[in-house]
Formats: sequence, structure tokens, C-alpha cells
Amino acid sequence: NAGVTQTPKFRILKIGQSMTLQCTQDMNHNYMYWYRQDPGMGLKLIYYSVGAGITDKGEVPNGYNVSRSTTEDFPLRLELAAPSQTSVYFCASSYPGQGAGANVLTFGAGSRLTVL
Amino acid sequence: ILNVEQSPQSLHVQEGDSTNFTCSFPSSNFYALHWYRWETAKSPEALFVMTLNGDEKKKGRISATLNTKEGYSYLYIKGSQPEDSATYLCAYKNTGNQFYFGTGTSLTVIP
Repeated sequence: NAGVTQTPKFRILKIGQSMTLQCTQDMNHNYMYWYRQDPGMGLKLIYYSVGAGITDKGEVPNGYNVSRSTTEDFPLRLELAAPSQTSVYFCASSYPGQGAGANVLTFGAGSRLTVL
Repeated sequence: ILNVEQSPQSLHVQEGDSTNFTCSFPSSNFYALHWYRWETAKSPEALFVMTLNGDEKKKGRISATLNTKEGYSYLYIKGSQPEDSATYLCAYKNTGNQFYFGTGTSLTVIP
């Protein structure tokens, strides 16, 4: 059981380049999230999805796009990379409900992105 | 903007000391309060999920309490050990689908 898998772990981009951070989970979780974490700041939500075909903006969506064509995958796309997007990105998933384990976030290992 | 605040920002304690930190959050539209433990070079892992006012949760030497009416939660560590060194994050969930994280309390336990 792999949990939440993110790739790549590290990437350096030039300003203006585009790239996709991949996230996949094998727990059949409905909900998936993308967060970014900057020094001295809490995790900030970029986008989230409550199921295949449904995505919503979080607190800091500008400069990013997402899609959710399957339950398992939730890629995050940066179209025109900017230095302000230098950060560590975490994908997470959860399932809704009332029982033990419901709504608990399972995180991927993170992707460190540097834009120069 | 929804504020979730944690204090202190960082803490150094001696091995064996007990310690506690605070998470404050909006008391309106409350659904759940989560605590996560985040070790360096790893990803956050869930410690507790609390949903009811007055909830108390315990896992070994770590426990947490919840006051939804006044909007705060305490995390306690009894007899701190070096392996407790980590950043402790709280996350507030309202009746929507989003979690709002605090900036974390970084705990260092000195042997």
C-alpha cells in the first residue's frame, strides 16, 4: 500500500517554464488537496477536489491549475513558473465521513520546487 | 482570511520535562480540529482528530484537549523525549471542505 505518491521530489525550473507535479493515491480517497509550504508560514491550500471531475480553488490558486480525471490522480500544473512559486508542495488525500480515520489527511512526501 | 494561530512558535525543553502548546481557531462553523506531527524530511502524520467540545484524546505521553466555544486546543507532552522533537501542526476544518493550518510549534527536546 503506497499511500500518496508525489513526483518529482526535487525540480529546478527557469522563469517562464511550465511543469506538472504528479500526485497519485491508492487508498480510494475521494478528497485530494495540494498545499504549499513556505518558511515561517503554515500549509496553504492551492486547490482541492472532492471527487473525479470536481476541483475547487483554495487560498492561493493563482498561477496553478489542476485536473481530476480519475479518483487516483490529482496533478498540479504550473504554466509560467515564477520565483514566487519556489516552495515545497504537498499533496494529501482523505475520505469524508464520521468514523475513525475519516477526514484525516494522508500526505505525500513533498516536492521541492525552485524557480530561478 | 481565516486565522489559525499556534503558540509558541518554537520551544526547547530538557528531556523529561513536560510541555504544552496552544492552537486557536475561529469558533464559528466548527467541524473538526486536527493535530499533526511533522518530523524533519518527512511528511505530516495525524496525531488526533477532535470534533466535540470538551474532547480529550491521548496517545501514549501525548494528549490534547478541545474547547470549541472559545476556539482553542491544547497539546500536552508528558516527560518529553528526544524522539518527540518535531513540528506540531494544528488544522481547523469548518463545515466546508477545507483545512486551515497554523504555522506550527517547533519542539526540540535536549537530551
